[in-house]
Amino acid sequence: QQQVKQSPQSLIVQKGGISIINCAYENTAFDYFPWYQQFPGKGPALLIAIRPDVSEKKEGRFTISFNKSAKQFSLHIMDSQPGDSATYFCAAWNSGNTPLVFGKGTRLSVIA
Amino acid sequence: EAEVAQSPRYKITEKSQAVAFWCDPISGHATLYWYRQILGQGPELLVQFQDESVVDDSQLPKDRFSAERLKGVDSTLKIQPAELGDSAMYLCASSLGLRNEQFFGPGTRLTVL
Repeated sequence: QQQVKQSPQSLIVQKGGISIINCAYENTAFDYFPWYQQFPGKGPALLIAIRPDVSEKKEGRFTISFNKSAKQFSLHIMDSQPGDSATYFCAAWNSGNTPLVFGKGTRLSVIA
Repeated sequence: EAEVAQSPRYKITEKSQAVAFWCDPISGHATLYWYRQILGQGPELLVQFQDESVVDDSQLPKDRFSAERLKGVDSTLKIQPAELGDSAMYLCASSLGLRNEQFFGPGTRLTVL
């Protein structure tokens, strides 16, 4: 049973455009929702994270939008750049009680 | 900047052979995780340590996989015997504690022929 469903599987965005990746979860006990960025041959790196007591968190060009009632959250990358081309994973966690559960990933390609 | 170290970075082995991976977490991090990431998928937890104790190894195939963290610092993950389906990236991560953010190492890419 996949606890975190991520879409789309792949995404192509023009340079300067907005990249949007969506995730949905089932377990209402999850209380921490991070996004990881992974370049080929590297381990995942924490990009930004949110807790369900806020609906939005912004860090530079990266924004997480969180909809608790719909059990959905999304990553928006504004002014997408070729250097943003990577695989992005959403994840969810009940802090300290369950393992970090990852989505299947979205392969983002930003083309000039 | 402190990082999680892993070695080797790449390993090619034949099926039925034994392989071992090593991880050195960020200094002071009490919690250490081993994940397996199959190509095109997200990481999946294999085993979690708090200091030298196993907290969760429910997803570790114990008939062939073993993990230890004897002194509560670095850790070794072993596969014996390796099978074709074990080909994957093996990631180590560490965190200050059970409720803290996890930092990942670069991984070991295992290919079983």
